[in-house]
Amino acid sequence: AQSVAQPEDQVKVAEGNPLTVKCTYSVSGNPYLFWYVQYPNRGLQFLLKYITGDNLVKGSYGFEAEFNKSQTSFHLKKPSALVSDSALYFCAVLGSGAGSYQLTFGKGTKLSVIP
Amino acid sequence: DAEITQSPRHKITETGRQVTLACHQTWNHNNMFWYRQDLGHGLRLIHYSYGVQDTNKGEVSDGYSVSRSNTEDLPLTLESAASSQTSVYFCASSGGSFTGELFFGEGSRLTVL
Repeated sequence: AQSVAQPEDQVKVAEGNPLTVKCTYSVSGNPYLFWYVQYPNRGLQFLLKYITGDNLVKGSYGFEAEFNKSQTSFHLKKPSALVSDSALYFCAVLGSGAGSYQLTFGKGTKLSVIP
Repeated sequence: DAEITQSPRHKITETGRQVTLACHQTWNHNNMFWYRQDLGHGLRLIHYSYGVQDTNKGEVSDGYSVSRSNTEDLPLTLESAASSQTSVYFCASSGGSFTGELFFGEGSRLTVL
């Protein structure tokens, strides 16, 4: 079965500094990887995905993610953090089971950007 | 604009009562999903559907049921609510062949006393 791990429950970064939110994955076959963001009292929103191709994937709101096959990682990054980036971030992997495809989420990382 | 709506947004009920959470989407998406979100667990899949009359169990389906009688709606029913089902529930949908990109509703917060 597929799984993702987000080793940090919380990440704090100063406004203007680069940010990284970590994710590692486990899946049989080629990985389809995703990042979602959840603002307070809202549903999740899709940020970006890796299917194949370039290891650096660009997404919404200036976010990007780096796929590293040897380290089985898919870290979310942004060159310069904004206070408005403060939210809960979820990594997810698409895997197959019982003849269907399912999206499995990590436990989430709370990002706090300090003014 | 097309959207996905959940109702009620907040509900308090008692142990043993039947509860139904509604999910309605106007994108004409074939694929619909129910997740629950709990601290320390992230999101866990309860049930999902790839089309009318199709329903499938997810990771944490015990105590829950769904039915899909049309494209737009996937109601989630708790047959006999338990305190362990206190959670925030999210409905999501996607179109075409499922590729992992989901559109989420705003969530329904359920408290079982």
